[in-house]
Amino acid sequence: QVQLVQSGAEVKKPGASVKVSCRAAGYTFTNYGITWVRQAPGQGFEWLGWISAYNGHTNYARKLQGRVTMTTDTSTRTAYMLLRSLRSDDTAVYYCARRDRYLRLDDYWGQGTLITVSS
Amino acid sequence: DIQLTQSPSFLSASLGDRVTITCRASQDISTYLAWFQQKPGRAPKLLIYGASTLQTGVPARFSGSGSGTDFTLTISGLQPEDFATYHCQQLNNYPYTFGQGTKLEIK
Repeated sequence: QVQLVQSGAEVKKPGASVKVSCRAAGYTFTNYGITWVRQAPGQGFEWLGWISAYNGHTNYARKLQGRVTMTTDTSTRTAYMLLRSLRSDDTAVYYCARRDRYLRLDDYWGQGTLITVSS
Repeated sequence: DIQLTQSPSFLSASLGDRVTITCRASQDISTYLAWFQQKPGRAPKLLIYGASTLQTGVPARFSGSGSGTDFTLTISGLQPEDFATYHCQQLNNYPYTFGQGTKLEIK
């Protein structure tokens, strides 16, 4: 069955970087993309961007341009999201999801990774 | 960016009720709208995509409709497991955006 397993919670100081991983199983990794979304405490969802696991094409939210980098490693079926220059308002649960670019849907989601930014 | 406004923000209903949640987009998004269900501490679950297509495995009591700027999610015959928060998402224009959520509680 399709599964996305994310790395564990982290606490970071302002200005630091964090790299969240998302390991996929149960489907052909390169046939789909990976979307990244976050949810701040008590808030709605914010779309961060997505990456094609087929060719590495990315599309990032304008708000995060310059601070975020999404990559994939097809040999390990793992997607990564690197977020730099962390601020307190980056504190959130970060989710990855499998993206079907043709149907425009994100159907299977990881369990979420809590990133806390605090001095 | 496209704004999505969900209403109501909170909804109280009883088992067996039929409820409707609306999602209004600030501009035409065709039928590129998805609905998700989220329970506390859990990842969201895709219910409907393309405004009206039921995701595999989702019970038929869930239905979606709409196109352009106005969309609805209907749950017919509420079950205990349906009490959760529901979110809409537009996938027509980048950045894809979400509504603020509708919390469905037991009356």
